[in-house]
Amino acid sequence: AQSVTQPDIHITVSEGASLELRCNYSYGATPYLFWYVQSPGQGLQLLLKYFSGDTLVQGIKGFEAEFKRSQSSFNLRKPSVHWSDAAEYFCAVGPGYSSASKIIFGSGTRLSIRP
Amino acid sequence: EAGVVQSPRYKIIEKKQPVAFWCNPISGHNTLYWYRQNLGQGPELLIRYENEEAVDDSQLPKDRFSAERLKGVDSTLKIQPAELGDSAVYLCASSLGTDTQYFGPGTRLTVL
Repeated sequence: AQSVTQPDIHITVSEGASLELRCNYSYGATPYLFWYVQSPGQGLQLLLKYFSGDTLVQGIKGFEAEFKRSQSSFNLRKPSVHWSDAAEYFCAVGPGYSSASKIIFGSGTRLSIRP
Repeated sequence: EAGVVQSPRYKIIEKKQPVAFWCNPISGHNTLYWYRQNLGQGPELLIRYENEEAVDDSQLPKDRFSAERLKGVDSTLKIQPAELGDSAVYLCASSLGTDTQYFGPGTRLTVL
């Protein structure tokens, strides 16, 4: 069965500093991987997704993620964070074959920004 | 283009009372999902519709939860009777087929 682990419950970084949020998944075949962001009181917004092709994926708001099959990871990065990036971030994994209909979410990482 | 619309945004009820949530998906999206998100957790799927057919309701607690999507467009999720443990955010999402899911803002339910 597929599963997702986000080992960091809460991360605080200074504004302007770089960011990396960790995501590890468990799935037997090629997964469909996602990062979503949830601001307080809001629904989830898709940042980026990966199924195949270039393992470095560019998303919205200056985020990128890299798929590393050997490490079963899909870490999210941003070179310089802004105060508006403070939110909850969720990694999700779905079955391959380009299907996003049955995805499992991690428990999330809450990002705080230090002024 | 309008996103996924949900109402109400907030609901407070006493235990054993019924409650209903409404969702209108993005126009043209035939697949609709209901999720429950407990505090500090990621969303968990309750039910998935393809058009008006519930194709995955394995995680829906059928003793008290029900859902419908009669015309294959908007949907209602109901809880009757509500229990304290049902306090959560209920999220609706929609997609075109099995493509990317787009989420609504959710309904925050508090059961007292």
